[in-house]
Amino acid sequence: GAVVSQHPSWVICKSGTSVKIECRSLDFQATTMFWYRQFPKQSLMLMATSNEGSKATYEQGVEKDKFLINHASLTLSTLTVTSAHPEDSSFYICSAPKSGETDTQYFGPGTRLTVL
Amino acid sequence: QKEVEQDPGPLSVPEGAIVSLNCTYSNSAFQYFMWYRQYSRKGPELLMYTYSSGNKEDGRFTAQVDKSSKYISLFIRDSQPSDSATYLCAMSAYPQAAGNKLTFGGGTRVLVKP
Repeated sequence: GAVVSQHPSWVICKSGTSVKIECRSLDFQATTMFWYRQFPKQSLMLMATSNEGSKATYEQGVEKDKFLINHASLTLSTLTVTSAHPEDSSFYICSAPKSGETDTQYFGPGTRLTVL
Repeated sequence: QKEVEQDPGPLSVPEGAIVSLNCTYSNSAFQYFMWYRQYSRKGPELLMYTYSSGNKEDGRFTAQVDKSSKYISLFIRDSQPSDSATYLCAMSAYPQAAGNKLTFGGGTRVLVKP
């Protein structure tokens, strides 16, 4: 399989501050990465598609000015939650697609965000 | 109606039993079918990948796809307590490497009791 990492794995911040989450593909290049949000006991909700060298594509209802995405290189995408509020507390997961025998998305370990 | 339907469970089975999971879908264009396992507070891990119809076996896991019925299944033989997790089905009409989205089921929570 492929390896995708996320950093940090867990972050606590105060309301009103910004938090940056990194997603890296460790052993392959990814021109596209995906950012998901997951609430407890619920499935993954796609937030946006991160595109290397161009603007991210956001899903309906996701505020692009609040969730800033930057795909700086072929192995790194970042999600910045700006002016975080308690309702932004959630589990954020990224994924990156890789071609090969199993042409599918590989997920990072997730980042748990708690906003106080 | 959701594009992919999956019973949320929980599904509780004794150790050693066969776990049977399934998803139904409505989009006949789906060709790529995946099963992911997700432990609590972890990212999903790819278990099985199937293209088009048919069966695929990998160790204790068997994935089946019936495109005529728009129905996919995952069987886990000789279940272990370590198989306790949430299982997500996912599917797509196009290759993932091209950056196309996956459509997920809601996930089924499985509990294997010792």
